[in-house]
Amino acid sequence: EIVLTQSPGTLSLSPGERATLSCRASQSVSSSYLAWYQQKPGQAPRLIIYGASSRATGIPDRFSGSGSGTDFTLTISRLEPEDFAVYYCQQYGSSPLFTFGPGTKVDIK
Amino acid sequence: QLQLQESGPGLVKPSETLSLTCTVSGGSISSSSYYWGWIRQPPGKGLEWIGNVYYSGSTDYNPSLKSRVTISVDTSKNQFSLRLSSVTAADTAVYYCGRLLVIKAFDIWGQGTMVTVSS
Repeated sequence: EIVLTQSPGTLSLSPGERATLSCRASQSVSSSYLAWYQQKPGQAPRLIIYGASSRATGIPDRFSGSGSGTDFTLTISRLEPEDFAVYYCQQYGSSPLFTFGPGTKVDIK
Repeated sequence: QLQLQESGPGLVKPSETLSLTCTVSGGSISSSSYYWGWIRQPPGKGLEWIGNVYYSGSTDYNPSLKSRVTISVDTSKNQFSLRLSSVTAADTAVYYCGRLLVIKAFDIWGQGTMVTVSS
C-alpha cells in the first residue's frame, strides 16, 4: 500500500502570502496519477490539480502543482480569502487503487 | 452541467446493511469515458476510497472493505449504488459519490450524505 504523508499538518498564513504544501509518498507514484483537492467545512472536496501539475477546470492560475516520484508540491502563489481550507493529495496506483493523504489545513494567521 | 446526488438512510443499526444511491443528472452514466466511485469521510477525519463501478458493471474495491462492499450500476435509472454490510460505529461517516476521470481523479462530487451507525 502506498502511504501519502502531507506536511505541514497546519499552515498559518495571511492573505497575499505564498503557500507551499508537501505530499510525500512511501513508494514512487506515477505523476500522471497524483491529484490535489480542496475541501471547505461542510462541503465536498473539489479537484484542484490532476496529473501532478494540470489545473482542473475553473481553477485559478495561482494554484500550481509540481513534483515526481515520491515528492509532490501544491503551491498557492498568493492566498485569497477563499483559499483557506484543507488540502488533500490523492494517488492512484497500487492496492488499494486510490489513497488520500491526511490533509494540510491552511488557516488564517 | 452534470450533478451527483446521494440518497439513503441517515441512520443504520449495527450489524445491518448500509445502502446508498447516487443519482447522476445532466449527463449519462453510460459514458465510456468515466467510472463512478464512492468515498467516505468519518467525522473530523480524512478521505477513504471505497470503490468504483463502470457502466458495464465492472468494479474495483478497497481491499480493507472488499468483503463487505457491493457497488452496482443501474443505467436505466442513471444511478449507481453502494451496499456495505455488517456495519459498526467505525462506518459512521459522510459518504460521497463521485465521477472518476481516466486520469484517475474525482472531478465531480455529490454533496455527501451523513450516515450514522447506532442502535
